[in-house]
Amino acid sequence: AQTVTQSQPEMSVQEAETVTLSCTYDTSESNYYLFWYKQPPSRQMILVIRQEAYKQQNATENRFSVNFQKAAKSFSLKISDSQLGDTAMYFCAFTQNSGNTPLVFGKGTRLSVIA
Amino acid sequence: GAVVSQHPSRVICKSGTSVKIECRSLDFQATTMFWYRQFPKKSLMLMATSNEGSKATYEQGVEKDKFLINHASLTLSTLTVTSAHPEDSSFYICSAIRTSGRVEQYFGPGTRLTVT
Repeated sequence: AQTVTQSQPEMSVQEAETVTLSCTYDTSESNYYLFWYKQPPSRQMILVIRQEAYKQQNATENRFSVNFQKAAKSFSLKISDSQLGDTAMYFCAFTQNSGNTPLVFGKGTRLSVIA
Repeated sequence: GAVVSQHPSRVICKSGTSVKIECRSLDFQATTMFWYRQFPKKSLMLMATSNEGSKATYEQGVEKDKFLINHASLTLSTLTVTSAHPEDSSFYICSAIRTSGRVEQYFGPGTRLTVT
């Protein structure tokens, strides 16, 4: 069974600074997808970034980028120029194959951006 | 982006009654939808996979007779919590898979169920 581990229950960062959230996973699959989701106080799940395992290039979305280390099964999220609106729970998630399978979530990291 | 709605957003019901939660994909067809449950300050746990036109697949430990799932059309899945008890109080989130173009999973806004 696949597992996703987020070892940082809580983190804080000063506004405009950079923060990195950690995620490791365990799978025997060779093809899979990894995601970072943001859950603000509204509790709506918002996709931040996705990475296909077969792509070596790290995904980026504006201020968000990942460091995908397939051999190490590591998938960290870097948030640059942190903004107050980035305050939320962040979940790392995994799904196998083509992506039409359920997501396996980590326990989440609560990020607070401080003014 | 694609939109998934849930109704109601909040519901309070008395112990012993049943409550139905709807999950709709508004601008795409979804042959597969998932139901997750989230306890306060916890992560999302998969309850079941809902497939259009067939029986739902439940995760281990989830009572299929208590959490009835019906996926009657390509845009609607319903979760009915039968004979609800206070321990069923939780946040229920659905997601729908869009398979046209890039496969993507879209989440509904969630339903907060409180059983008194």
